Amino acid sequence: ILNVEQSPQSLHVQEGDSTNFTCSFPSSNFYALHWYRWETAKSPEALFVMTLNGDEKKKGRISATLNTKEGYSYLYIKGSQPEDSATYLCAYESGNRDDKIIFGKGTRLHILP
Amino acid sequence: EAQVTQNPRYLITVTGKKLTVTCSQNMNHEYMSWYRQDPGLGLRQIYYSMNVEVTDKGDVPEGYKVSRKEKRNFPLILESPSPNQTSLYFCASSQWGEQYFGPGTRLTVT
Repeated sequence: ILNVEQSPQSLHVQEGDSTNFTCSFPSSNFYALHWYRWETAKSPEALFVMTLNGDEKKKGRISATLNTKEGYSYLYIKGSQPEDSATYLCAYESGNRDDKIIFGKGTRLHILP
Repeated sequence: EAQVTQNPRYLITVTGKKLTVTCSQNMNHEYMSWYRQDPGLGLRQIYYSMNVEVTDKGDVPEGYKVSRKEKRNFPLILESPSPNQTSLYFCASSQWGEQYFGPGTRLTVT
């Protein structure tokens, strides 16, 4: 059974502080790792799709790194703002010719003013 | 505007009454997928389709059917809904990786 784990489950961060959280996934049959941002009462929105070991992607104050050999990815948020409050999901896409996508349960981020 | 639409957005139905949730995308994406979201379980893939007439089971396909007769549409069919299918359902489409999600359909089966 393929398992994608995210930690921590929930995180409270003071506005202005930087933070990061983890996604771990199976290192075998890897095809891609996705990060999504999901605000309450909305739909998940894609942040990054990462495919190469050592890849690092950045969008504004948010960045992500990828280690496919050991099966983990970090998401970093620099200088947290209230609008960063959301659930951050990662999803593992296998390269087993089946294109299944397995989501983690997410990290719920609360930014404290 | 590029989007994924789902209908209905909210549905309350009774056990055993067949229903269909429609999903449509206007981005000419090949890949489409259905997910259900339940508290404590996260998003779980029900079915996905890599192209017209090609569908595959995700992690939780039992009790669901799909079809992909044309590229833009990917309806989710519940032939005989049961209370354990009460959930929030999302349709998504993608071409090269990034998935675009629909607004969600909240289904209650009594």
